[in-house]
Amino acid sequence: EPEVTQTPSHQVTQMGQEVILRCVPISNHLYFYWYRQILGQKVEFLVSFYNNEISEKSEIFDDQFSVERPDGSNFTLKIRSTKLEDSAMYFCASIGTQETQYFGPGTRLLVL
Amino acid sequence: AQTVTQSQPEMSVQEAETVTLSCTYDTSESDYYLFWYKQPPSRQMILVIRQEAYKQQNATENRFSVNFQKAAKSFSLKISDSQLGDAAMYFCAYRSAYTSGSRLTFGEGTQLTVNP
Repeated sequence: EPEVTQTPSHQVTQMGQEVILRCVPISNHLYFYWYRQILGQKVEFLVSFYNNEISEKSEIFDDQFSVERPDGSNFTLKIRSTKLEDSAMYFCASIGTQETQYFGPGTRLLVL
Repeated sequence: AQTVTQSQPEMSVQEAETVTLSCTYDTSESDYYLFWYKQPPSRQMILVIRQEAYKQQNATENRFSVNFQKAAKSFSLKISDSQLGDAAMYFCAYRSAYTSGSRLTFGEGTQLTVNP
């Protein structure tokens, strides 16, 4: 069964550094998403992406965040200058014709 | 804006018993989707069940079923014959059907413990 994949599974970085989180959505899906989950909290929407542009973003998704689909398979989230509060689990998701979002296994980001 | 509320931070159940997790939501829309996701200790988000608001029939997936009360804006999850592997955090989520590709809005989650 097709699945969403994410790399890396864990990332440790220093405050102020740039990180890029990578996702490979399910191949025939059209909408892609990033969510984050701070430890012990609920899952929060960051951004959705369709037809090579952002279709919706939350108030969390400020100028330090960007998304890109550099080729036909990858979908990336870049955090330009990480802060301590960016430490979280970051989930990629994609959606197909059944309107159900399927999630990747997540990238655990720790900012020191 | 839509909101989702899960009022039970923790629940426990004996193995083989039945447990019901509660979820309420607030929306002015009439067409939407509701989901339950399971998050085990690995923290992966696994879809358990989904319900379309226009369908009156409650969704069922094996041991998992929902009680969807549209007028009351309630969407509870019933797990029958609970198994140790059901222990996880469960999130209720809402998605508008009016906009293609719209976001999921999650509740705070309910931590389910299954006792042997």
